[in-house]
Amino acid sequence: QKEVEQDPGPLSVPEGAIVSLNCTYSNSAFQYFMWYRQYSRKGPELLMYTYSSGNKEDGRFTAQVDKSSKYISLFIRDSQPSDSATYLCAMSPTGNQFYFGTGTSLTVIP
Amino acid sequence: GAVVSQHPSWVICKSGTSVKIECRSLDFQATTMFWYRQFPKQSLMLMATSNEGSKATYEQGVEKDKFLINHASLTLSTLTVTSAHPEDSSFYICSALGPGPSGASAYGYTFGSGTRLTVV
Repeated sequence: QKEVEQDPGPLSVPEGAIVSLNCTYSNSAFQYFMWYRQYSRKGPELLMYTYSSGNKEDGRFTAQVDKSSKYISLFIRDSQPSDSATYLCAMSPTGNQFYFGTGTSLTVIP
Repeated sequence: GAVVSQHPSWVICKSGTSVKIECRSLDFQATTMFWYRQFPKQSLMLMATSNEGSKATYEQGVEKDKFLINHASLTLSTLTVTSAHPEDSSFYICSALGPGPSGASAYGYTFGSGTRLTVV
């Protein structure tokens, strides 16, 4: 079983839709949770960072962590064509080594 | 914020030659850097962990003699693909543990922009 599971998609939504991206994990020791966005042929860039449980909001993006279910989510409101990218979740027990999901490819159609 | 600069962004080389890729942390010191390989539409595959002043730790299945890693300073790590072959063509990405509110570990990784290597 992989440490982190993420549906690779692809996911295609119309502009303005709410997007939900999810990852599940098996290691209950994970405490640091990240979401990265990667455009084609570019390195990943950090979108959201959450420590332990709870929600975090930044503009149109909301990250949720449910440690009891070992499940994290990233919500994108009012999705834009510029949000089209691959979204990677990453998590770590200590913050020194992160385990990545396989990434979900998202396309927002104008 | 933390910035990692990676060069070159793309390179084409002949089979049998060696290619060096540089990864620099521009505004912070990175004692640990990571090198990844990514195939089209696939996730990041960790190749090795580079520690300043010591030998790199390679993941299982990665040839250390083929992928030479040097972390000579707190801001620079290099990956040299030796005797490159077409099957080494890939997207290589470095990352570093960046500074954060509770020390380096709290911030997670900062990634370079990647290097597309094509071996012909």
